[in-house]
Amino acid sequence: EAQVTQNPRYLITVTGKKLTVTCSQNMNHEYMSWYRQDPGLGLRQIYYSMNVEVTDKGDVPEGYKVSRKEKRNFPLILESPSPNQTSLYFCASRGRGRETQYFGPGTRLLVL
Amino acid sequence: AQSVTQPDIHITVSEGASLELRCNYSYGATPYLFWYVQSPGQGLQLLLKYFSGDTLVQGIKGFEAEFKRSQSSFNLRKPSVHWSDAAEYFCAVGGNYGGATNKLIFGTGTLLAVQP
Repeated sequence: EAQVTQNPRYLITVTGKKLTVTCSQNMNHEYMSWYRQDPGLGLRQIYYSMNVEVTDKGDVPEGYKVSRKEKRNFPLILESPSPNQTSLYFCASRGRGRETQYFGPGTRLLVL
Repeated sequence: AQSVTQPDIHITVSEGASLELRCNYSYGATPYLFWYVQSPGQGLQLLLKYFSGDTLVQGIKGFEAEFKRSQSSFNLRKPSVHWSDAAEYFCAVGGNYGGATNKLIFGTGTLLAVQP
C-alpha cells in the first residue's frame, strides 16, 4: 500500500530535549516536505527536499533541521525544542511533475 | 503575494442540505488547486484537484469544485451533506511560481458541522 508513515504519532517532551520525528514513504517520490498545523493558521511549510541531499527552507524553518540521506526518509529534527513548537506536524511526499502530495497521519507534539 | 483565503471559519448545515465552501487564491502563475479534508484526529485526505482542462472537477465522497479564473476562486460543493462530512476542509494552491514546485499554500480551513 502506498503510504507516508510518521513516528511517533504523539510525543510529549520538555524544553531543550532534542527530538527527531521520522518520516518515510514507499512511493519512490523525489519531493518530501514537512508542515506544521496550528489553529487558525492552516498548514505552513517548514522544510522541503527535492531529492537526496537537496533540502531547502520553507516558510517557518526556525528551530528545525532536516536531512535527506535516503530517498525514502526525511526526518525532522528539533535540536532544542521550545513550547512554541507545540503543534501538529505533517510529512508529505509527491512524485515528479504535478502529482498530488500525499500526507502522513501527523505527529502531535507537546513541548512543556 | 501567494495566498489562499477561506473566508468562512465555521459553517453549520443540516443533513441533506447543500454545501458550498469558499476558497479564493492569489498566485503569480497558473495555479494547481486542491481541496483536502481532515476528520477529527486524522490526517489530510485529498478530496479533489485541478491542474488544467475542465474547470468543474469531481472528487471523492460526492464533492465537486469549480475553478473560476476570473474570480480567482475554487469553491467546493456537495448537493446533499451527510453527517459523516463533518470535518475541517482545507483549500490549497501550488504550482511552479518561483521554482518552488514542491510547496503547497494552505488556507486556514473551514470547520463544517452537520446538524441532524
